[in-house]
Amino acid sequence: QVQLVESGGGVVQPGRSLRVSCAASGFTFNTYTIHWVRQAPGRGLEWVALISYDGTKKSCADSVKGRFTISRDNSYNTVYLQMNSLGSEDTAIYFCARGSPPYSSSSLDYWGQGTLVTVSS
Amino acid sequence: QSALTQPRSVSGSPGQSVTISCTGTSSDVGGYNHVSWYQQHPGKAPKLVIYDVTQRPSGVPDRFSGSKSGNTASLTVSGLQAEDEADYYCCSYAGSYIYVFGTGTQVTVL
Repeated sequence: QVQLVESGGGVVQPGRSLRVSCAASGFTFNTYTIHWVRQAPGRGLEWVALISYDGTKKSCADSVKGRFTISRDNSYNTVYLQMNSLGSEDTAIYFCARGSPPYSSSSLDYWGQGTLVTVSS
Repeated sequence: QSALTQPRSVSGSPGQSVTISCTGTSSDVGGYNHVSWYQQHPGKAPKLVIYDVTQRPSGVPDRFSGSKSGNTASLTVSGLQAEDEADYYCCSYAGSYIYVFGTGTQVTVL
């Protein structure tokens, strides 16, 4: 079955960096776009970034542009989100999700359970 | 990249129907047929209930339906059941590999 498992969250000081990971299984990983979506405590969903199935196309929200970088390693079925210059506004649960259909992405059909990132001194 | 606008909350009695609107612009909702809807129960990950405006994933009850007119998409839940009580979010493709979510709507079953 399709599984996405996020890891790497934790407490980090303002201005520091953190990398979160998304390990996938149960599907042909190198044919699917992967998204990161975050949810601040008590708030709504915010789309953060995506990376295409082959890693050639990447995009991110204006709110994280220049600070966050998305990458993937298809040999390890894993997507990464490198987060730099973190601020309190980045405190959130970070979900990874699979884009569907293969080689494209009109929706996010499977989601992980999320990893909590807390930016605090 | 402004969030799509949804009503803060809607409610209905069991068996009734509720409709949630999702208003964007011609650059997102109005410009593409890639509108999707997600159901999220407290403490859980979101679940896809509608994709490509009107399509239901396998396993989603046909009580859930979607539509779009101009810059506004809508999700209708018919025959409301207790388990439908949740937060609902719309999402649209906005071009250049960018996506935007709605502000979210809390559905209450009275």
